[in-house]
Amino acid sequence: DAKTTQPTSMDCAEGRAANLPCNHSTISGNEYVYWYRQIHSQGPQYIIHGLKNNETNEMASLIITEDRKSSTLILPHATLRDTAVYYCIVRVASHGGSQGNLIFGKGTKLSVKP
Amino acid sequence: NAGVTQTPKFRVLKTGQSMTLLCAQDMNHEYMYWYRQDPGMGLRLIHYSVGEGTTAKGEVPDGYNVSRLKKQNFLLGLESAAPSQTSVYFCASSRWTSAISYNEQFFGPGTRLTVL
Repeated sequence: DAKTTQPTSMDCAEGRAANLPCNHSTISGNEYVYWYRQIHSQGPQYIIHGLKNNETNEMASLIITEDRKSSTLILPHATLRDTAVYYCIVRVASHGGSQGNLIFGKGTKLSVKP
Repeated sequence: NAGVTQTPKFRVLKTGQSMTLLCAQDMNHEYMYWYRQDPGMGLRLIHYSVGEGTTAKGEVPDGYNVSRLKKQNFLLGLESAAPSQTSVYFCASSRWTSAISYNEQFFGPGTRLTVL
């Protein structure tokens, strides 16, 4: 799987948009970008994923550059409860099993401040 | 639905002792996983299962064994605990879907294990 690079930490003011970048310059054509987050002392939580088109759901938006070498997760109106470690994961799509494994890096620690 | 549950939540072992961590899911998922997370690190896959009666090694399988006798349960065993196995253990599950891009894994709350 391609490796990802994320900033170690970021701050965001409550109510503002949080933009979390991720570089994946060696991504292959059949690899998707997945985002998970981990609130302190809890298990990780799925946020969103995409291939090349921008994606939006009730939690966040995912913007993938045209060359697919980087992406940005956007939390449109960050709240204190969004304080967490955010993981950007790149891997091939599959039905699960051996190719369903997620490789977590160290992620970005997002601190939302009042 | 309870989702993914893990038992116990906390445990302290002495070096050489054995124990079993239990993971249960009520979502009828085919796939189940065991990860460990060390301080300041991401999660690393220990073992996984693609269905009842099948298991496979992940990234860091040494010192652990697993079993999946029932679809809803995935057990992680430590035969002879070592201090290096002090960690937080997370179980996860995911379903098979024809949409191969979809791979949401649902995680349990974790088990904090300390080996003295």
